[in-house]
Amino acid sequence: EVQLVESGGGLVQPGGSLRLSCAASGFTLSDHWMAWVRQAPGKGLEWMGNRKEDGSGECFLDSVKGRFIISRDNAKNSVYLQMNNLRAEDSAVYYCARGDRGYAEGAYWGQGTQVSVSS
Amino acid sequence: QTVVTQEPSLTVSPGGTVTLTCASSTGAVTSAYFPSWFQQQPGQAPRSLIYNINNKHSWTPARFSGSLLGGKAALTLLGVQPEDEAEYYCLVYDGSGWVFGGGTKLTVL
Repeated sequence: EVQLVESGGGLVQPGGSLRLSCAASGFTLSDHWMAWVRQAPGKGLEWMGNRKEDGSGECFLDSVKGRFIISRDNAKNSVYLQMNNLRAEDSAVYYCARGDRGYAEGAYWGQGTQVSVSS
Repeated sequence: QTVVTQEPSLTVSPGGTVTLTCASSTGAVTSAYFPSWFQQQPGQAPRSLIYNINNKHSWTPARFSGSLLGGKAALTLLGVQPEDEAEYYCLVYDGSGWVFGGGTKLTVL
């Protein structure tokens, strides 16, 4: 069974940093693109970026470029989102999602982890 | 960045048919946009229903179908069930990355 479990969320002050993790099981992580998507309270989904099987890729969303970094460690079956210089508007539920062949972006999702940025 | 537009809300009767659409600010949505559709129930993670225009997952109910229609991506529900009441999002590739639409709140009434 495919499982994605996010962790690392919490309350952080503006300007602070957090590192989110996504633990993958039930499949071979190195065979898939992995993405991060966020959803602010009461708002829609925002696709943030992905990392391809070979580790290439980036954060695509303009509002997080230069602050957020997506990485992966296939040997540890994990994908990460390093978030720096956090702002109040980064408060959201953060999901990791698996891409499948045939341009099936977001075929499987984790349950998400909550990030709150507040003083 | 590309702006993707969906109907904010739609209402359909049980057993009825409804089509949700997804438009791009850059022009007609074509096969090169690889549109996908997701369903999100309140308090839950999104679930993929359709990918690359009209491809279904093993878990996608048969009443859901995807297409390209009049320059937009479309999701059609045929024989709507009460449990289909949810938020629906499209996702398209704009050449640089992927962009979600703003979502359609579907009410079954």
